[in-house]
Amino acid sequence: AQKITQTQPGMFVQEKEAVTLDCTYDTSDPSYGLFWYKQPSSGEMIFLIYQGSYDQQNATEGRYSLNFQKARKSANLVISASQLGDSAMYFCAMRDRTILGGNEKLTFGTGTRLTIIP
Amino acid sequence: DGGITQSPKYLFRKEGQNVTLSCEQNLNHDAMYWYRQDPGQGLRLIYYSQIVNDFQKGDIAEGYSVSREKKESFPLTVTSAQKNPTAFYLCASSIGFGSVPYPADEQYFGPGTRLTVT
Repeated sequence: AQKITQTQPGMFVQEKEAVTLDCTYDTSDPSYGLFWYKQPSSGEMIFLIYQGSYDQQNATEGRYSLNFQKARKSANLVISASQLGDSAMYFCAMRDRTILGGNEKLTFGTGTRLTIIP
Repeated sequence: DGGITQSPKYLFRKEGQNVTLSCEQNLNHDAMYWYRQDPGQGLRLIYYSQIVNDFQKGDIAEGYSVSREKKESFPLTVTSAQKNPTAFYLCASSIGFGSVPYPADEQYFGPGTRLTVT
């Protein structure tokens, strides 16, 4: 089974609207971390936001927030008031210890390409 | 400016030749990583290193080699044994679990090197 699933290959959103990018994960480790990265066309991966499995509150960083639903094993990224510069690939990733070297390894989803329409 | 540099941005090689990709960081991070990204896919871990003079294989290490002689540097050699070397290669670093509790420790990425082998 996929450890990280991003079911939206592409999304188109009007500028200034909010957008939710879906991410579901699979792990039996009670302690794990979830990360979101943005990859513009230049290729560099930009860290956006982190959520630990034991964190009591949903993570927020400026216009980014993480809708963490532990029982459903979902960690959706919400971008408020989208801007043209938000157009990029977005990757969800997880760190857990169910695999060898899991302390260090990040497992990435296949990504969602977000396009903001003026 | 602290960050991760990768050079060159584009690299072309003939089949059968070894090629070394450079990765340097001045963030004073202990941990460094190499990922490969193919079109339409997420990142896959090639090698990682938590401390100088030590490194571990990732999920797709065959046909690659690394060294970690200095904290700042983690070069990747793509050998002629790698069957499909054409890809986008990303280097990353993180503080490391000596300083940051599991499962946090977000990874920061360089701009990437696009390798084409013909």
